[in-house]
Amino acid sequence: DTAVSQTPKYLVTQMGNDKSIKCEQNLGHDTMYWYKQDSKKFLKIMFSYNNKELIINETVPNRFSPKSPDKAHLNLHINSLELGDSAVYFCASSQDAHSNQPQHFGDGTRLSIL
Amino acid sequence: QKEVEQNSGPLSVPEGAIASLNCTYSDRVSQSFFWYRQYSGKSPELIMSIYSNGDKEDGRFTAQLNKASQYVSLLIRDSQPSDSATYLCAVVSNRDDKIIFGKGTRLHILP
Repeated sequence: DTAVSQTPKYLVTQMGNDKSIKCEQNLGHDTMYWYKQDSKKFLKIMFSYNNKELIINETVPNRFSPKSPDKAHLNLHINSLELGDSAVYFCASSQDAHSNQPQHFGDGTRLSIL
Repeated sequence: QKEVEQNSGPLSVPEGAIASLNCTYSDRVSQSFFWYRQYSGKSPELIMSIYSNGDKEDGRFTAQLNKASQYVSLLIRDSQPSDSATYLCAVVSNRDDKIIFGKGTRLHILP
């Protein structure tokens, strides 16, 4: 009974392709996030949505476009993939956007660009 | 530029001893502090949260917060080999509610 689930788990593709990662949470949370964890294990926030509204948009290339059809889903579409996009992408959710709420992470999507 | 600093390790601790993990942060108006554990190839999972100065205990884990000195620590008593993982410190500023993670400390419990 997975709380935050993301698909696919692994994604191997060639440079220049477009790909999407999907995320769903069944915790009833209002806020969802996308993180990138690079090869040095540094976890950095990319986007945050609260009730389908974008609230955090860090310095991320506009090739990355998040979409939240409802508050239980937050998908990430990446255009024109580059070698530097290779990383593990984690989806997470929290009760709401307040600072005192812990985050619950999905299992990650390992993206490898050939 | 807000920063969260951790010693990357590896920190090697004998089984049964106390493991002490430290984290410092730069933003004085930080209000919420979290410790996450991440096993290799897995996702981060929440271990402890702490919001006010002092100690907070949960089983073998104790989080300590000192806002004046801008540090937060995690103590693991009676360390077990299963505690071997990377521990991520996360800090949320009251200014913008953005969470910043440290780069993590790799902990290795020696059997």
